[in-house]
Amino acid sequence: DAKTTQPPSMDCAEGRAANLPCNHSTISGNEYVYWYRQIHSQGPQYIIHGLKNNETNEMASLIITEDRKSSTLILPHATLRDTAVYYCIVRVGPGNTGKLIFGQGTTLQVKP
Amino acid sequence: DTAVSQTPKYLVTQMGNDKSIKCEQNLGHDTMYWYKQDSKKFLKIMFSYNNKELIINETVPNRFSPKSPDKAHLNLHINSLELGDSAVYFCASSLSDRAAKNIQYFGAGTRLSVL
Repeated sequence: DAKTTQPPSMDCAEGRAANLPCNHSTISGNEYVYWYRQIHSQGPQYIIHGLKNNETNEMASLIITEDRKSSTLILPHATLRDTAVYYCIVRVGPGNTGKLIFGQGTTLQVKP
Repeated sequence: DTAVSQTPKYLVTQMGNDKSIKCEQNLGHDTMYWYKQDSKKFLKIMFSYNNKELIINETVPNRFSPKSPDKAHLNLHINSLELGDSAVYFCASSLSDRAAKNIQYFGAGTRLSVL
């Protein structure tokens, strides 16, 4: 079972920031949070990951609460091409045997 | 250049047949995976290989047999196909090096329809 819960769907206006929340209250101290997205009919695409600190890359920012029980993925200026299912994932298990357990994700609809 | 490529993209076959899906990655990764995405869109890991060695084997019927001839290839062979095997199958790869943080790169998927 996935260790994360996300709202099933969200809307965002084009050009505005999209803030996607995720709860992972049972996360362990050494487990990373990963975000992937799946655009319709494509394979999942890695976005960003983090452990404790906030992270930013060319695609998004990841804000992790101090207690690590929740996080927020921020797409600073959403475009229509960002419409996708966004998965928040806690990687379970150590080293090579670690697994990404995908939940239902959040379907983000970016509207003109 | 496609980093993780799967063939075929679409596969339509009759119940009871045997079929294979091929996956190749040119990223220099040492770990490869097979995932299944069913009609409800749940994506579940099936297998993982590291340097040709099976390291993750989820509860998957033994009609499914992965084969890794080298670390750049992971093929999936399915015997005696059943209606419930209809799904999209995704291959992925990653580098097990700790610095790489096991970021997985996915192929475009193979849509299998069993009639």
